[in-house]
Amino acid sequence: SQQGEEDPQALSIQEGENATMNCSYKTSINNLQWYRQNSGRGLVHLILIRSNEREKHSGRLRVTLDTSKKSSSLLITASRAADTASYFCATVPIYNFNKFYFGSGTKLNVKP
Amino acid sequence: NAGVTQTPKFQVLKTGQSMTLQCAQDMNHNSMYWYRQDPGMGLRLIYYSASEGTTDKGEVPNGYNVSRLNKREFSLRLESAAPSQTSVYFCASSARQGELANQPQHFGDGTRLSIL
Repeated sequence: SQQGEEDPQALSIQEGENATMNCSYKTSINNLQWYRQNSGRGLVHLILIRSNEREKHSGRLRVTLDTSKKSSSLLITASRAADTASYFCATVPIYNFNKFYFGSGTKLNVKP
Repeated sequence: NAGVTQTPKFQVLKTGQSMTLQCAQDMNHNSMYWYRQDPGMGLRLIYYSASEGTTDKGEVPNGYNVSRLNKREFSLRLESAAPSQTSVYFCASSARQGELANQPQHFGDGTRLSIL
């Protein structure tokens, strides 16, 4: 399978704490994207990082990419209860820009 | 602005029945996708359509067919439903891929399908 793997599978933190999720993948990529999924809803795009980028920020989100280790991390700073959701990484391989491979996700619970 | 709309939202079928899941997007996107999501797993690509008039297999195409009816609509058909196809099905779209690989996907809210 080309799918990425995320860890941890589940994460429970207090409001105000930081949350870090990791994603590992197998093939060379064009870009890597992070998505959020609230219960019962579709996925929502959060941030995209290209293969030639090492770090990217968007609001309270910070994404890093290490192509030599084939891994990425998503940091959510100062978590809020509204951040409770599942988070998925998706990779776009260099051999087919039309395919997205999703990881199995990290379920984040932010306690108020 | 609706984005990606999937119908129906819920469906229960008996083994052997057929069904078509509908998906429409209003963002003028070229590429459309069908995924399935099983409990505790990420999304797995069933079929995709890079542009109007083309369709290609994804990771798990067996037991499914697709039709790219026009630029807006992309349907998924189960010809003879099996219990293993019980899942949540998501449709997504994105702006042209290929030379513009750095594009996000926009998702519908899913169709929850149970096959008894």
